[in-house]
Amino acid sequence: RKEVEQDPGPFNVPEGATVAFNCTYSNSASQSFFWYRQDCRKEPKLLMSVYSSGNEDGRFTAQLNRASQYISLLIRDSKLSDSATYLCVVTTSSGGSYIPTFGRGTSLIVHP
Amino acid sequence: NAGVTQTPKFRVLKTGQSMTLLCAQDMNHEYMYWYRQDPGMGLRLIHYSVGEGTTAKGEVPDGYNVSRLKKQNFLLGLESAAPSQTSVYFCASSYFGPVEAFFGQGTRLTVV
Repeated sequence: RKEVEQDPGPFNVPEGATVAFNCTYSNSASQSFFWYRQDCRKEPKLLMSVYSSGNEDGRFTAQLNRASQYISLLIRDSKLSDSATYLCVVTTSSGGSYIPTFGRGTSLIVHP
Repeated sequence: NAGVTQTPKFRVLKTGQSMTLLCAQDMNHEYMYWYRQDPGMGLRLIHYSVGEGTTAKGEVPDGYNVSRLKKQNFLLGLESAAPSQTSVYFCASSYFGPVEAFFGQGTRLTVV
């Protein structure tokens, strides 16, 4: 079982729609959680960190559920420019080092 | 600041040839990572380093070697390239701890 699992999609939604992605992780000792965005043929870039209390950045809301070991990303009022792959990242301590593990990504296509 | 810079951006190798990919960061980060990204596989960790002079194996280290002689540089070597090493390689760096990682623009390597 992969440490970090995501539905690869694609999620195909019209502009203005609300879309949600989930990500599950296997290591209960994982310490930090992020969503990254990756555009086609580009490097991943941080979208937002994910906290137990939940956090919001404009149209984006991220939630962490430690008990069920999943994180979520909600995008409201989708824009064409939101089309990208969204990567779930979980950082776990290993021998005193903190190693980010990436999910395979969820593809989002927003159409007119 | 340039952030994380990878060279070269593109390379075509013949089977059995060797090459070195260079990653340089100017953010004084302790941690540096090499990932490879293949279709449907997501980002997989090859090797990482938690400081100058230290390296460690990641999820898929076979066929690769690394060195970190200077804090700002992390080199990835392929001693005898194989077609299975055709991939996009990303370098990343971060401060110590479970924090955000910053990525270079990637190196597209094709082994024929």
